[in-house]
Amino acid sequence: DADVTQTPRNRITKTGKRIMLECSQTKGHDRMYWYRQDPGLGLRLIYYSFDVKDINKGEISDGYSVSRQAQAKFSLSLESAIPNQTALYFCATSTAGGSYEQYFGPGTRLTVT
Amino acid sequence: GQQLNQSPQSMFIQEGEDVSMNCTSSSIFNTWLWYKQDPGEGPVLLIALYKAGELTSNGRLTAQFGTTRKDSFLNISASIPSDVGIYFCAGQRGGSNYKLTFGKGTLLTVNP
Repeated sequence: DADVTQTPRNRITKTGKRIMLECSQTKGHDRMYWYRQDPGLGLRLIYYSFDVKDINKGEISDGYSVSRQAQAKFSLSLESAIPNQTALYFCATSTAGGSYEQYFGPGTRLTVT
Repeated sequence: GQQLNQSPQSMFIQEGEDVSMNCTSSSIFNTWLWYKQDPGEGPVLLIALYKAGELTSNGRLTAQFGTTRKDSFLNISASIPSDVGIYFCAGQRGGSNYKLTFGKGTLLTVNP
């Protein structure tokens, strides 16, 4: 079974709709991250969380919110989706200390029409 | 934000050839990571480097942490068709609170 899972894998939604992307991990890692990937722009950090009570904004947090429901679960919400939020979204995890290695989920392809 | 310059942007090679790609920055990094992303999947960690000058291998892949700490290199020997994908470098700078900076990737195509 995959260590980092994301649901849904694909989603098409309309402008103005609220949508939630979910991430779960069985790696036992404390730290979780949300990225978006756009062609030619690479991976950009949206939000990150170092534990359940610690949430931090990344480079491009406007239009997004997150919730860390448990150590193993970190969800990303788009309160009112817009077309330029069409992208690949990845969740990643890392351990609490010493290692900077991040492990990624399979991604969610989101299309906003 | 801080950028990593990754080159080349794309490569077309014949099966069996060796491949080299690199990542450079104007800033010093404490950690370099190399990832591979297959179409429709998330990046998979290939190699992690933690010390300047460090040379680490993973099968046919070898990566080096540049001695200036501003660059890193990835080599793939005797390429095979399943090496096709996008290779990303990522770096962690001191004081960045465990956040990574990513390069934009090198798209590798291997012709059988």
